[in-house]
Amino acid sequence: NAGVMQNPRHLVRRRGQEARLRCSPMKGHSHVYWYRQLPEEGLKFMVYLQKENIIDESGMPKERFSAEFPKEGPSILRIQQVVRGDSAAYFCASSPLGSNDRGLGWPLHFGNGTRLTVT
Amino acid sequence: QKEVEQDPGPLSVPEGAIVSLNCTYSNSAFQYFMWYRQYSRKGPELLMYTYSSGNKEDGRFTAQVDKSSKYISLFIRDSQPSDSATYLCATPANAGNNRKLIWGLGTSLAVNP
Repeated sequence: NAGVMQNPRHLVRRRGQEARLRCSPMKGHSHVYWYRQLPEEGLKFMVYLQKENIIDESGMPKERFSAEFPKEGPSILRIQQVVRGDSAAYFCASSPLGSNDRGLGWPLHFGNGTRLTVT
Repeated sequence: QKEVEQDPGPLSVPEGAIVSLNCTYSNSAFQYFMWYRQYSRKGPELLMYTYSSGNKEDGRFTAQVDKSSKYISLFIRDSQPSDSATYLCATPANAGNNRKLIWGLGTSLAVNP
């Protein structure tokens, strides 16, 4: 049973380019979460999606960042016109239940992240 | 003040030692607390979660919550070199809402053979 799959593992982009990060949740999981990890800031919530719906994007920067989770295929986190400050590890997590379901939907299963470096 | 504070360490102990890892939090409304372990270049993996005050034990791991002092702890007994990792505490921003976890910075632990 494959876990949460993220690719690529490492991504290098020049300033101004676009970065696309992909996440395939665990089988049977329809809730996806994106987090960003910076050394001095720790993990920060970015966005929560269900299939074809963005449920909570309160942690996502208003500009240049977008996320989707289509009916078919992986969830995509897209960063346009990357800047050096976007360099970080981006983690995707999935769960079988969401926050609006009975119970908490524990646990969140994390992928191994995509490490984005902007040069 | 950060909502969840955690001493980043690093913490270095000999194999077999009892390890105590701690976090403090500021919001008394927080009810659920989780401990995640993160190996280098890997994603976090859930170790344990607790609700409200009290202890929870799982093998060599014990999680403890003291709501009166807003203090959470993870104890590792008979520590092993394979326990060397970063340990992160986390809590949901809202009770019953696990989508937005608030994290400590993590404590780096090295268990020396």
